[in-house]
Amino acid sequence: AQSVTQLGSHVSVSEGALVLLRCNYSSSVPPYLFWYVQYPNQGLQLLLKYTSAATLVKGINGFEAEFKKSETSFHLTKPSAHMSDAAEYFCAVIFGGGGNKLTFGTGTQLKVEL
Amino acid sequence: SQTIHQWPATLVQPVGSPLSLECTVEGTSNPNLYWYRQAAGRGLQLLFYSVGIGQISSEVPQNLSASRPQDRQFILSSKKLLLSDSGFYLCAWRTGGSSPLHFGNGTRLTVT
Repeated sequence: AQSVTQLGSHVSVSEGALVLLRCNYSSSVPPYLFWYVQYPNQGLQLLLKYTSAATLVKGINGFEAEFKKSETSFHLTKPSAHMSDAAEYFCAVIFGGGGNKLTFGTGTQLKVEL
Repeated sequence: SQTIHQWPATLVQPVGSPLSLECTVEGTSNPNLYWYRQAAGRGLQLLFYSVGIGQISSEVPQNLSASRPQDRQFILSSKKLLLSDSGFYLCAWRTGGSSPLHFGNGTRLTVT
């Protein structure tokens, strides 16, 4: 069955430290992949997307993600965390090379500490 | 540029009352439209989506319904709200293919 998994519902990092949020998918066909960020009581905002071009994708706010087909992963990283990065992050997938629905992971709450 | 409007931002309704949440998109034609719900600690649940006027796909059988009376208008309704309908409701649109979803600011619904 096709699915998307975010490892770690809560991640805590120190300000200035590396941010790594994990996303794995299960599919025999490379999907389209997205990362979203959600601040409290707001809608989701698109951070970046992978749609079969370059495997290293750069997004807004200094985030980037690398598509690794062999690992079926699309982990989100940022070299240096800022207090304003504290939010919930969702990985999302369109399976089957297209379609009408995005499948979302369960989300990772990022906490940034001084 | 495209924009999505969703209202109201917050709503408190008693059990058994009706519900109508509205969403409109500007700056694009024939978008795919979606309603999601976030309940506390339960992630994003797709409720309905529409690929055209009058075309509604329901993902979860429940107390809610959706309608698309115009190309860029999507309405979420209920005849009688339940306590379990409380949550954060999000409208979204996309063009299809590999395009991402674009979300509205959401409606916080509390059923009392």
